[in-house]
Amino acid sequence: EPEVTQTPSHQVTQMGQEVILRCVPISNHLYFYWYRQILGQKVEFLVSFYNNEISEKSEIFDDQFSVERPDGSNFTLKIRSTKLEDSAMYFCASAPQNNEQFFGPGTRLTVL
Amino acid sequence: AQSVSQHNHHVILSEAASLELGCNYSYGGTVNLFWYVQYPGQHLQLLLKYFSGDPLVKGIKGFEAEFIKSKFSFNLRKPSVQWSDTAEYFCAVNAQERTGGYNKLIFGAGTRLAVHP
Repeated sequence: EPEVTQTPSHQVTQMGQEVILRCVPISNHLYFYWYRQILGQKVEFLVSFYNNEISEKSEIFDDQFSVERPDGSNFTLKIRSTKLEDSAMYFCASAPQNNEQFFGPGTRLTVL
Repeated sequence: AQSVSQHNHHVILSEAASLELGCNYSYGGTVNLFWYVQYPGQHLQLLLKYFSGDPLVKGIKGFEAEFIKSKFSFNLRKPSVQWSDTAEYFCAVNAQERTGGYNKLIFGAGTRLAVHP
């Protein structure tokens, strides 16, 4: 059964460094999402992406964040200058068209 | 703005006990409703979903949920839990009237279920 995959599973970085979190959505899906879950808190929407552009973003998704689908298979989330409060589990999801989103295993980002 | 409330943050049950996890949402329009489960060390998996039709939906592993529109609720139930049901359970909604699949999911805070043998 096809799955969403994410790499790395755990990323440790220093504050102020750039990180890129990678996701490979399910191949025939058209809609892509990033969510995050700070430890002990709820899963929060960050951004949705369709037809090579952002379709919606949350207030969390400020200028430090960007997303890209560089090659038709990967979907990346970049954080330009990480802050301590960016430490969280980041989940990628994809959907074919009818609102059912399939989630990846997540990347745990630790900012020191 | 949409919001989702899950009433129980931690639930502890013995095997064979019945389970009901509450979920209420706040949104004036038509919604799609979901329950996701996250087993320890694993990713979010869809348990069941409601888009339209029969308000009693059945999911995987013996779970079911009932949509009560008048109460804005979508409670998850299982008649007899097993130790392997130990996990975190998330209720989520998105707005149905937005076209396309780019609807964000709004999640509840989650309920951590521990089932003791």
